[in-house]
Amino acid sequence: NAGVTQTPKFRVLKTGQSMTLLCAQDMNHEYMYWYRQDPGMGLRLIHYSVGEGTTAKGEVPDGYNVSRLKKQNFLLGLESAAPSQTSVYFCASSYSRTSGITDTQYFGPGTRLTVL
Amino acid sequence: EDQVTQSPEALRLQEGESSSLNCSYTVSGLRGLFWYRQDPGKGPEFLFTLYSAGEEKEKERLKATLTKKESFLHITAPKPEDSATYLCAVQAGADSWGKLQFGAGTQVVVTP
Repeated sequence: NAGVTQTPKFRVLKTGQSMTLLCAQDMNHEYMYWYRQDPGMGLRLIHYSVGEGTTAKGEVPDGYNVSRLKKQNFLLGLESAAPSQTSVYFCASSYSRTSGITDTQYFGPGTRLTVL
Repeated sequence: EDQVTQSPEALRLQEGESSSLNCSYTVSGLRGLFWYRQDPGKGPEFLFTLYSAGEEKEKERLKATLTKKESFLHITAPKPEDSATYLCAVQAGADSWGKLQFGAGTQVVVTP
């Protein structure tokens, strides 16, 4: 049981390049999330998904797109990277509200992205 | 505007020196307050969830408490392996399931 995994662990991009971060979970969770973590600012929600085929904007969605084609995977895309997107990106997953189970979010190990 | 503030930003303790971390919040309709531990270069690891004022939870040397305005994470007789950044997050308002608002964290260093 691997929990939440993220690919890649590190990435360096040049301004204007694009890339996709992959998140996978094996806990059969309905909900999945993408956060970014910057020094002194705490984790901020970028986008989230409440089920396969659905996505929604979080607190800081600009410059990012997401897709949830399979229940176990959640992709975060940067179409044209900017230096302001240099950050550590975390994926998380949880049970759904209607499951009646815990609302705890479980996090992946993170992806450190640098945009030059 | 909802706010979550953690203090202090950093804390240096001697092994065995007990202390408390604070998480104060100003939100409408608290649904849950979460504590996570984060080691350098890793993702946050879940510790506790508190749902109502007066609730307390314990795990080894850690104890979390909740009032209507703040939460405390007490570290009793810490060991070097308790060194980490401790994050608190709140879930507030209607339809807030999954929408966590995090504080900036408290970095704890425990020296032998």
